[in-house]
Amino acid sequence: EVVLTQSPATLSLSPGERATLSCRASESVDNFLAWFQQKPGQAPRLLIYDASNRATGIPDRFSGSGSGTDFTLTISSLEPEDFALYFCQQRSYMYSFGQGTKLEIK
Amino acid sequence: EVHLVESGGGLIQPGGSLRLSCAASGFTFNTYSMHWVRQAPGKGLEWLSFINSNSATIYYADSVKGRFTVSRDNAKNSLFLLMDSLRAEDSAVYYCTREHLIPFDYWGQGTLVTVSS
Repeated sequence: EVVLTQSPATLSLSPGERATLSCRASESVDNFLAWFQQKPGQAPRLLIYDASNRATGIPDRFSGSGSGTDFTLTISSLEPEDFALYFCQQRSYMYSFGQGTKLEIK
Repeated sequence: EVHLVESGGGLIQPGGSLRLSCAASGFTFNTYSMHWVRQAPGKGLEWLSFINSNSATIYYADSVKGRFTVSRDNAKNSLFLLMDSLRAEDSAVYYCTREHLIPFDYWGQGTLVTVSS
């Protein structure tokens, strides 16, 4: 089983700041890594797939990078609507999710 | 427009069975693989099951293997999850989601399953 570890668990920032979220895999997942955003009471929303490809309709302030075992989701300048839960997910060997990072307003 | 609508959740006693459905519309269902993912209250996402477009390939998470059975009816644009021997820890919101060239790009709104006596 591929274990994904996200850090930090909680990130406190202000609107306009840059957010950097990390996801580390227990073994290489090549570039088969996705990022999702989830708001309370809503289904997850795909942001990034295959490590660096933005999904349809996702603003360009969201970017993904990394390969192998270390991945990063960057939000260049936080908007009020970006404060939410973020999950990474791999599909290199079966499927698994990270435990999540809560991005909260400072 | 793509729509995935889950149904069939509810309150069920431990040891009981429940069948979830996912109705798909707005895309060519028989060309997509499908997944079930769940989320316990206040917890993270847990992948459960994969079924490819023609049902030839099926995978399960270890936590549900032998208790849950995924199936699909392409003629009815529907995905199913039969859940047997339910436990309290199976209580969660259950989502269906699709995969083709872009994985997990659309999700349903989920159906809540509560396992309790």
